[in-house]
Amino acid sequence: GIQVEQSPPDLILQEGANSTLRCNFSDSVNNLQWFHQNPWGQLINLFYIPSGTKQNGRLSATTVATERYSLLYISSSQTTDSGVYFCAVERLGNYKLSFGAGTTVTVRA
Amino acid sequence: GAVVSQHPSRVICKSGTSVKIECRSLDFQATTMFWYRQFPKQSLMLMATSNEGSKATYEQGVEKDKFLINHASLTLSTLTVTSAHPEDSSFYICSATDGNYGYTFGSGTRLTVV
Repeated sequence: GIQVEQSPPDLILQEGANSTLRCNFSDSVNNLQWFHQNPWGQLINLFYIPSGTKQNGRLSATTVATERYSLLYISSSQTTDSGVYFCAVERLGNYKLSFGAGTTVTVRA
Repeated sequence: GAVVSQHPSRVICKSGTSVKIECRSLDFQATTMFWYRQFPKQSLMLMATSNEGSKATYEQGVEKDKFLINHASLTLSTLTVTSAHPEDSSFYICSATDGNYGYTFGSGTRLTVV
């Protein structure tokens, strides 16, 4: 199956700092999504981004499909940004999502 | 946007009993839904793909007779954990796609078997 690697595994930030999370994948993809899992377990869809760049408030994401990676940027981090961020991909022709191991982000006040 | 409802959010059951979890797509029809399992501090593991009107497709290593999946309509899939044991305790999450904006996930069910 497709391999999805996220880095770093853990990230500790001071409130107001910026950060970049990375997702590498091993094959061509139909779909790539970034999720934030909140403390109650709910997966919040941040971006549907198989290619290109998108921005939503303090968050933005870029996927370079030809080089098989995606980046999630968090700017001016807040304590509410804490949680686990997952990258998930749908391999070309295979209609199901495969998840990376996640990046655990802790934002300290 | 697409909304997926899952319930119950939390269930405690006795060892040996069965538990049913429901997953509904509220504002779109989903011919395919997916069931995941998540252990503490781990990623999501796909258990099975639920196909409306046909048998589910299970991932390697997932017991079909333990985890029964029924996709009776275009908006409802159910997962039944049969003869539950403490090792079945976990967080179960369903998802579906409307084909346009990727996958949407339910809020998850935390199962505790005592």
